[in-house]
Amino acid sequence: AQSVTQPDIHITVSEGASLELRCNYSYGATPYLFWYVQSPGQGLQLLLKYFSGDTLVQGIKGFEAEFKRSQSSFNLRKPSVHWSDAAEYFCAVGADGNKLVFGAGTILRVKS
Amino acid sequence: DVKVTQSSRYLVKRTGEKVFLECVQDMDHENMFWYRQDPGLGLRLIYFSYDVKMKEKGDIPEGYSVSREKKERFSLILESASTNQTSMYLCASRVQGDQPQHFGDGTRLSIL
Repeated sequence: AQSVTQPDIHITVSEGASLELRCNYSYGATPYLFWYVQSPGQGLQLLLKYFSGDTLVQGIKGFEAEFKRSQSSFNLRKPSVHWSDAAEYFCAVGADGNKLVFGAGTILRVKS
Repeated sequence: DVKVTQSSRYLVKRTGEKVFLECVQDMDHENMFWYRQDPGLGLRLIYFSYDVKMKEKGDIPEGYSVSREKKERFSLILESASTNQTSMYLCASRVQGDQPQHFGDGTRLSIL
C-alpha cells in the first residue's frame, strides 16, 4: 500500500534561514507527488507538484522540491524563510485510482 | 480561480443526530472528495466521487455516507453522529486524473 512519511512533526527556523522539509514515500510505480500548505483555520493550498520530467520543481511562494527516486524522497526547500511561511505542510502521493495519500504533516514555526 | 465552498466553518451537534456537511465547487470538476483531518494523522479519505451519482469508499467510510445528485455539490452525511467523529472535515475537487485537488476551508465539527 502507498504511504507517505514526514519524519518531522515540528520544525523551528529563524526568519531568513533556509528550510528543508522531508518527505519519503512508498509507491510501486512512478509517483505523482504534491506539497500542500495549510495556514491556521484554512484549507490546503497547492505549493507544487511533480508528475514527470525535471526532478527539481518550482512552486509558488519561492518553494522548490526535488524528486529523488533512489531515495524515495521529495523534500521541500526554501532558501530564505519569511514569518508568513509559518503553517503546516503536507506531502502527498497520487495512489491507486488517483486518490491522494497524505503524510501526517510538519508544523513550521518561524522565529524572529 | 477554483472555488470550493463548504457551507459551515464551525458546527456543533449532539450524539445520535444526523449531520449534513455540504460542499460546492464552481469549476465543473468531475471528481470530488471528503477527508477528515486529525492532529498527527494528516488527511484521511472518507469518500470520493468520480462523477454525478457515483461514489466510492475511501479509507475510513464507516459511519459516513455521501450524496452527489448534481455535479457541483457533494454532501457528507453522518448517519448517527458520535463523539469520535469530532474532527476537521475538508472537501476537495479536481478536474480528473492526476490533476491537483483544490480544497475548501474546512468545517470544524464538534459532536457533544
